Amino acid sequence: GQNIDQPTEMTATEGAIVQINCTYQTSGFNGLFWYQQHAGEAPTFLSYNVLDGLEEKGRFSSFLSRSKGYSYLLLKELQMKDSASYLCAVRGPPNAGKSTFGDGTTLTVKP
Amino acid sequence: NAGVTQTPKFRILKIGQSMTLQCTQDMNHNYMYWYRQDPGMGLKLIYYSVGAGITDKGEVPNGYNVSRSTTEDFPLRLELAAPSQTSVYFCASSYGQPRVNTEAFFGQGTRLTVV
Repeated sequence: GQNIDQPTEMTATEGAIVQINCTYQTSGFNGLFWYQQHAGEAPTFLSYNVLDGLEEKGRFSSFLSRSKGYSYLLLKELQMKDSASYLCAVRGPPNAGKSTFGDGTTLTVKP
Repeated sequence: NAGVTQTPKFRILKIGQSMTLQCTQDMNHNYMYWYRQDPGMGLKLIYYSVGAGITDKGEVPNGYNVSRSTTEDFPLRLELAAPSQTSVYFCASSYGQPRVNTEAFFGQGTRLTVV
């Protein structure tokens, strides 16, 4: 099976940097996704890591360490619109196709 | 390009009633999924399908049934609705190639209340 842990809530200030951590235990690993979900809306894709290291995409970066079962999502130059829930999802064994989601981290950005 | 379309958006059911949540995608994705999301929680996988004619149980399949007769459609059936099935339901689809970014595309969700 798979077990994914994320902090429940975080608060940060507009313009600052925030790091959202995700730790996982899995019987098979085939990639880690980060999704953003605004209240009342569907999740939307942010990033994907399958190899160790940092993936950068504009203001958002995601890091993966497979040996530590650890990932983080880094949000820079925070904006009010970044207030949302951030979901970490781990994809299981090859060819399984399905992902297991963490409970999400609710980020509140304050002026 | 419509992506993933779910209907209905909202529904109130009485205990014991049945209903089908419809989901269709036009991206020719082989994988499709049904998730439920309870307040303040993440997504729990109900059922998934790796292609037409193939379905499999996820983490929380009890009380639900699915079918996948075509690549495009993946309806979710609730039989004998119970209050515990009050939730937001999301359908999603993706490609299923391993070690490739196969992000899931989500429908807009169905908010179901069982009273």
